[in-house]
Amino acid sequence: DARVTQTPRDKVTEMGQEVTMRCQPILGHNTVFWYRQTMKQGLELLAYFRNRAPLDDSGMPKDRFSAEMPDATLATLKIQPSEPRDSAVYFCASGLSRASSYNEQFFGPGTRLTVL
Amino acid sequence: GENVEQHPSTLSVQEGDSAVIKCTYSDSASNYFPWYKQELGKGPQLIIDIRSNVGEKKDQRIAVTLNKTAKHFSLHITETQPEDSAVYFCAAASEPGTYKYIFGTGTRLKVLA
Repeated sequence: DARVTQTPRDKVTEMGQEVTMRCQPILGHNTVFWYRQTMKQGLELLAYFRNRAPLDDSGMPKDRFSAEMPDATLATLKIQPSEPRDSAVYFCASGLSRASSYNEQFFGPGTRLTVL
Repeated sequence: GENVEQHPSTLSVQEGDSAVIKCTYSDSASNYFPWYKQELGKGPQLIIDIRSNVGEKKDQRIAVTLNKTAKHFSLHITETQPEDSAVYFCAAASEPGTYKYIFGTGTRLKVLA
């Protein structure tokens, strides 16, 4: 049963600390998305990658957030320094992108981040 | 850019009744509309989708309708059951191959036994 995995599932940290969230996409998927979910904003797209190349990170605060895919099996989202307003649930999703078609995005279970 | 509005934000129905969730979108180029269900503590999961060349699609107790002229689409759940209780998100996309989705703000559905 292939699924997206995310670690850690919960993270509590203090303001100013660095936070790294990890995602393992489903094997064979070529597209990875990072979303942030808050009660106020709903699901916001932060960044997405296709074939490990960043295609769009316009939704991400550039001064403190960074997203990378060191290899096809790992995507990371870093926040440095973290702030209380970053508290949210962060989801990773993966999918198989084909030109001129739409395909399902498979979401991981999320990382619940609390910044004190 | 695309904007997707979703209503209502919360919905309570009696078990066995129907539930309807509505979304409107702003970009007339949008041509793909998925619906995701998010259960407590889990990530969203696709339950049904519709493409712009189709007006209605049905899968057992769930159905989606699309009105391209009015730029709105709806999710219909019939014979609701307690396990239908969840948050439902609509989304719209206009870039095939990238499938960058714009999500609605979600509807929390409670099915009362």
